Amino acid sequence: QSALTQPPSVSGSPGQSVTISCTGTSSDVGSYNHVSWYQQPPGTAPKLMIYEVSNRPSGVPDRFSGSKSDNTASLTISGLQAEDEAEYYCSSYRSSGLYVFGTGTQVTVL
Amino acid sequence: QVQVVQSGAEVKKPGASVKVSCKASGYTFTAYYMHWVRQAPGQGLEYMGWINPNGGGTKFAQRFEGRVTMTRDTSISTVYMELSRLTSDDTAIYYCAGEGGGSYYMDVWGKGTTVTVSS
Repeated sequence: QSALTQPPSVSGSPGQSVTISCTGTSSDVGSYNHVSWYQQPPGTAPKLMIYEVSNRPSGVPDRFSGSKSDNTASLTISGLQAEDEAEYYCSSYRSSGLYVFGTGTQVTVL
Repeated sequence: QVQVVQSGAEVKKPGASVKVSCKASGYTFTAYYMHWVRQAPGQGLEYMGWINPNGGGTKFAQRFEGRVTMTRDTSISTVYMELSRLTSDDTAIYYCAGEGGGSYYMDVWGKGTTVTVSS
């Protein structure tokens, strides 16, 4: 039951774009569109940012977008802002009927 | 508003059990699956399993099978997660997270319950 693979960190200057990858297998990311992304600033609970690969909940800025190709999902933050600095986790539904999270990516705004 | 409120911090000795509660409000209790996720200090999110409050069905991640129990009390809109045979590796923040109506994502999160296992 290995975690999905994410890069440990990404960084960018304000206004730039950053993309976080999330690599799974044919038993999770590759087989289902049930991929979601969560933002977790230090000391807080995770917050849903993207669901079903590319959908944004109400209240999430449209600079957050998601996509998927084969076994890899991606989260892009366009027009990076200081408030976007946080840890980000992907998650996918699995053929086992359970879920798995990614290893987490620290986004740093330079 | 839709929210879940978790019980307070716990300190347990190795070998003991801990039971964390998660009380839902602002929505139909039986309409949301409840998931449990934990996060050890400085580590990532680890998925533990889910309970369907409508009927009480459960499913657990393999590494917690035999050691975790998830139950619910529909009369007070509360779900419980009990973890037994605690070790120091179980020291973590435990989150409950609601998934609405088979939506396949967790959109209602509790603030977390810190469980410390120490002799």
